[in-house]
Amino acid sequence: NAGVTQTPKFQVLKTGQSMTLQCAQDMNHNSMYWYRQDPGMGLRLIYYSASEGTTDKGEVPNGYNVSRLNKREFSLRLESAAPSQTSVYFCASRVSGGASYNEQFFGPGTRLTVL
Amino acid sequence: AQSVAQPEDQVNVAEGNPLTVKCTYSVSGNPYLFWYVQYPNRGLQFLLKYITGDNLVKGSYGFEAEFNKSQTSFHLKKPSALVSDSALYFCAVRDGTGGSYIPTFGRGTSLIVHP
Repeated sequence: NAGVTQTPKFQVLKTGQSMTLQCAQDMNHNSMYWYRQDPGMGLRLIYYSASEGTTDKGEVPNGYNVSRLNKREFSLRLESAAPSQTSVYFCASRVSGGASYNEQFFGPGTRLTVL
Repeated sequence: AQSVAQPEDQVNVAEGNPLTVKCTYSVSGNPYLFWYVQYPNRGLQFLLKYITGDNLVKGSYGFEAEFNKSQTSFHLKKPSALVSDSALYFCAVRDGTGGSYIPTFGRGTSLIVHP
């Protein structure tokens, strides 16, 4: 049971380049989330997916797109990267029921630098 | 609307002393409250939660938190701090009466435990 995995761990882009951040979970969770973490800002929600086939905008969606490929995978795409998107990106999934209901599990993060 | 405030950017405590990391919240419905810990270069890990029931909640690694409805607070505590507790701590709140699960995270408090 690997939990939540993210690839890549590190990435450096030039302004205007595109890339996709991959996330997968093997815990059979319905809901998945993408956050960005910036110093002094805490975690801000970019997009989330309440279930397979649905996605919704979070607090800071501009410049990003997402795809919920199946129940396991939720990818985040930057179509034209900007320096303001330099951040650490975390994927998370949420326990669907039982005693751990409402708890989120986080991946290890992707550290993205846009030059 | 929902919000979380962690009034201290950093808390310093000596090993063996009790520690408190403060959190206050604002939510229109029933508060669901969470604490997460982030070690360097890692994703967030769930520590404990308050959904309903006893105001004193016990969690992982000897941590506990007290829900105080009148003061709208959910402070994290530990009777005896360890150097290994040094990390970044996040409080989060969700409106439990809402249909979608979208928690709001605080900005984080850096806990430094001195030997």
